[in-house]
Amino acid sequence: QSALTQPASVSGSPGQSITISCTGTSSDVGGYDYVSWYQQHPGKVPKLLIYLVTDRPSGISSRFSASKSGNTASLTISGLQTEDEADYYCASYSSISTILFGGGTKLTVL
Amino acid sequence: EVQVVESGGGLVQPGGSLRLSCAASGFVFSTYNMKWVRQAPGKGLEWLSHIDTRSTTIYYADSVRGRFTISRDNGKNFLYLQMNSLRDEDTAVYYCARDSGRGGSMDVWGQGTTVTVSS
Repeated sequence: QSALTQPASVSGSPGQSITISCTGTSSDVGGYDYVSWYQQHPGKVPKLLIYLVTDRPSGISSRFSASKSGNTASLTISGLQTEDEADYYCASYSSISTILFGGGTKLTVL
Repeated sequence: EVQVVESGGGLVQPGGSLRLSCAASGFVFSTYNMKWVRQAPGKGLEWLSHIDTRSTTIYYADSVRGRFTISRDNGKNFLYLQMNSLRDEDTAVYYCARDSGRGGSMDVWGQGTTVTVSS
């Protein structure tokens, strides 16, 4: 059960857009449309941002969008705000009926 | 208010046991699958276990299979995690999370309970 691969860190300036990638295999990300994304501020609880690859729960800003191509899923945050500075995790259902998380990406808003 | 609240964490010696509890409220607990997730200090999230509404389908991560047991009591609105043969590497914050029913995503998380395994 290897973790999904995310960049350790990304950065951007307020107002800019950034994209975080999440790479798995055909047995997880590529095999199912069951990718989700979570935001976690330091010392806080993870918060669901995206489910089923592209869908946002109610109350989540439209600045957060996501997609998938092959074995790689992506989260894009547009119009970066200082409050977006946090850790971001992707997760995917896998063929062995488990959930795999990515290693997490630290977003710094410069 | 929809919420889950974990309890039962603490300091335990290697090889010891702990039982974590998760109290659910504000939603019909018996209609939701549930999960446990942990986060070691300074590390990322790790899914541990899943249980369906009637406790008929249960899955574990390789790292805890055979040592941890997930269970639930729908009459009391509680989720549990029995942890045996604890190791140093089990030190983490343990979260209870509600399965949204949408591709395994987790839409309600507790504040977590801290487990420290140390001699």
